[in-house]
Amino acid sequence: EVQLVESGGGLVQPGGSLRLSCAASGFTFSNYAMHWVRQAPGKGLEHVSAITQRGTSTFYSDSVKGRFTISRDNSKNTLYLQMGSLRADDMAVYHCARFDPVTAYEYWGQGTLVTVSS
Amino acid sequence: EIVLTQSPGTLSLSPGERATLSCTASQTISSTYLAWYQQKPGQAPRLLIYGASSRATGIPDRFSGSGSGTDFTLTISRLEPEDFAVYYCQQYSISPRTFGQGTKVEIQ
Repeated sequence: EVQLVESGGGLVQPGGSLRLSCAASGFTFSNYAMHWVRQAPGKGLEHVSAITQRGTSTFYSDSVKGRFTISRDNSKNTLYLQMGSLRADDMAVYHCARFDPVTAYEYWGQGTLVTVSS
Repeated sequence: EIVLTQSPGTLSLSPGERATLSCTASQTISSTYLAWYQQKPGQAPRLLIYGASSRATGIPDRFSGSGSGTDFTLTISRLEPEDFAVYYCQQYSISPRTFGQGTKVEIQ
């Protein structure tokens, strides 16, 4: 069974940093690109970052470019999102998702909540 | 960036009725790369349709997708109580893999 489990969310002050993790199991992690999608409270879905299978190529949305860094450790089956210079508009539930070029996001984690507040 | 616009914003229907949800793209998308998701409160989105018209594993056949170019449709043939939720379309052709703003299907 495919499982994606996020962790690392919490309360952080504006300007602070946080590292999210996504532990994957039930599939060959290194065969898939992995993405982060966030959802602000009461709002829609926003694709914020992506990383290829071996980590050689990454993508960032304009809203997080220069502040967030995506990475992965295929030996640990884990995806990361290092978040810096956090702002109030970064407050959201952050989901990791397995990307497949045919089926898009067939598997999602349950999400981890990031709250940015003083 | 490809902008997806969903309509209507809210659809008020009764169980057993047919639901028709629209998604319009700001530029042509290959139908290979259009997906639909269902989301219920407090849950992660669930993939319903990929490639514009292929049902994901375990999705009932009352859900169907169609369309091409810039106009796509999700149809729920007969609404079941568990179908009342928010639905999002997504293009996954190019980054950012953008989503529509969502259509809420609520019980009338």
